Amino acid sequence: GAGVSQSPSNKVTEKGKDVELRCDPISGHTALYWYRQRLGQGLEFLIYFQGNSAPDKSGLPSDRFSAERTGESVSTLTIQRTQQEDSAVYLCASSLGPVNEQFFGPGTRLTVL
Amino acid sequence: QQPVQSPQAVILREGEDAVINCSSSKALYSVHWYRQKHGEAPVFLMILLKGGEQKGHEKISASFNEKKQQSSLYLTASQLSYSGTYFCGTDHAGGTSYGKLTFGQGTILTVHP
Repeated sequence: GAGVSQSPSNKVTEKGKDVELRCDPISGHTALYWYRQRLGQGLEFLIYFQGNSAPDKSGLPSDRFSAERTGESVSTLTIQRTQQEDSAVYLCASSLGPVNEQFFGPGTRLTVL
Repeated sequence: QQPVQSPQAVILREGEDAVINCSSSKALYSVHWYRQKHGEAPVFLMILLKGGEQKGHEKISASFNEKKQQSSLYLTASQLSYSGTYFCGTDHAGGTSYGKLTFGQGTILTVHP
């Protein structure tokens, strides 16, 4: 059974460029979460998808950040016009439902030069 | 709204015990505990739902005091493998925030031989 996968594992980009980060959740998991973790810091909530409900976008730091999810499968986090402060590890997690164990992917390490 | 964890760091000798606390200023529906080793994704430890239930996982257990809006993680007879950063995630439920976790800043636990 595959776990949560994310791609790419590492991304280096120049300031001002757009990036797309992908997350493949565990099959059957209705809930999907994106978090940001800066070096040595905790997990910062970004966005949460639950089934067909409207996503909770309350954690997105600016309108440069957006995310989509296709049904109950793949999700893409897009950061437009990247800034150096966007450099971090972006973690995706999925769970069977809202109050269940979250399974984390390995993360995408984003470096903005 | 971020829960507060204490202590920020703790150093133990193998076999010693430790307690990590997580306090919230808002009413809690559930508390989730995760451990993250350096360079790895967080791994689930346990979930506690409101009701003051105490759960255990081998030599790691936790309690949830709904009235005090806090949870404690107990690590007994610590092993080298317990080293890592421990995060609590709190779920305040209600409306569209159901299932959304807000994580504390983490507690760094180091176990020495």
